[in-house]
Amino acid sequence: GEDVEQSLFLSVREGDSSVINCTYTDSSSTYLYWYKQEPGAGLQLLTYIFSNMDMKQDQRLTVLLNKKDKHLSLRIADTQTGDSAIYFCAESPNNAGNMLTFGGGTRLMVKP
Amino acid sequence: DTGVSQDPRHKITKRGQNVTFRCDPISEHNRLYWYRQTLGQGPEFLTYFQNEAQLEKSRLLSDRFSAERPKGSFSTLEIQRTEQGDSAMYLCASTLQGTYEQYFGPGTRLTVT
Repeated sequence: GEDVEQSLFLSVREGDSSVINCTYTDSSSTYLYWYKQEPGAGLQLLTYIFSNMDMKQDQRLTVLLNKKDKHLSLRIADTQTGDSAIYFCAESPNNAGNMLTFGGGTRLMVKP
Repeated sequence: DTGVSQDPRHKITKRGQNVTFRCDPISEHNRLYWYRQTLGQGPEFLTYFQNEAQLEKSRLLSDRFSAERPKGSFSTLEIQRTEQGDSAMYLCASTLQGTYEQYFGPGTRLTVT
């Protein structure tokens, strides 16, 4: 079955770059996603990448995909205290329903 | 566009009681998903609808759980004879078929005492 793994915790200083990593096992993954969750809230879609792409950039966010190693990363440039949250990686297998399989989340703490 | 909404936001119930949650998707979205998130974990897929048809159910969805989307708009998720293990955040998401962005609601946090 599908499995998505993330490290539990990342701490950075305000203004530094953050890199959150994710590995997945399903080679048929079609789309890979990054969501942000703040305490007590639902999930906010940050960005997603199609599996035939290597990189996607959207303002301060850069997604890198290494399909051979099944490794996805999210880089946040100029990290701000408002970026403190839990970040979830998710993959969508190649099926008609597009159900998402999520990792366990990485808690990002940004220190002033 | 008001986004995906869920009601109630919080529900506390005693073990053995039945509860029902509601999700209103983004208005033009014909696909609706239910996920469950326990503390410290990522969301897990429960079930999804395309219009009014329930097309997929996870094995996590025991026979105490039932979901409906009678008119292809809002959906309800009912849990009968709640157990303490049902305590979780229940998340709803919607999307337009053929697109790949799932938008989530704020969730309903269920506590079973």
